[in-house]
Amino acid sequence: GQNIDQPTEMTATEGAIVQINCTYQTSGFNGLFWYQQHAGEAPTFLSYNVLDGLEEKGRFSSFLSRSKGYSYLLLKELQMKDSASYLCAVRDRGNKLVFGAGTILRVKS
Amino acid sequence: ETGVTQTPRHLVMGMTNKKSLKCEQHLGHNAMYWYKQSAKKPLELMFVYNFKEQTENNSVPSRFSPECPNSSHLFLHLHTLQPEDSALYLCASSQEEGRVLENSPLHFGNGTRLTVT
Repeated sequence: GQNIDQPTEMTATEGAIVQINCTYQTSGFNGLFWYQQHAGEAPTFLSYNVLDGLEEKGRFSSFLSRSKGYSYLLLKELQMKDSASYLCAVRDRGNKLVFGAGTILRVKS
Repeated sequence: ETGVTQTPRHLVMGMTNKKSLKCEQHLGHNAMYWYKQSAKKPLELMFVYNFKEQTENNSVPSRFSPECPNSSHLFLHLHTLQPEDSALYLCASSQEEGRVLENSPLHFGNGTRLTVT
């Protein structure tokens, strides 16, 4: 079967750095996505990794290791508005997106 | 504004009711999707339409009936639902099925929060 694991919840302090991990076991791999979803709103695209390494976009970075089936999303200089659910999704061999259950991040002042 | 609009935002219905969810995308995409999102569970893909043709039915019970009259509109018709069907129903679109590319990822609507009583 297909499986994507993420921590259920995390708490971090405003201004700090937080790393949200994602491990996956899927039938093939054609890229990994991170989405951000605020309560009551649509998931919005954050990042995409298909090759090993780190992709940086401002305060957010995403890392991928295909051999380990592992990714993380790194959020720097945390702001209160970063409180949201972060979804990890893998595109499998059939080009279907398989989602994790999401990690609820709470940023406290 | 996400480019994908869903109505209604909230819906409460009894188990014997019939209702419909509507989704409209203004992005010029050719693929549209229905997902179910339950608390603390992964997004579950329900249906996929590519160029108005249904290409995926992920073993969804027949009490959910999708309709895609054109590439911009998608409906989900609901009848005789069960309380366990209460969830957030998300519509999404992409350029084309199987081409969820970096520069054209899935675009989601804000969802319909459905409560079945």
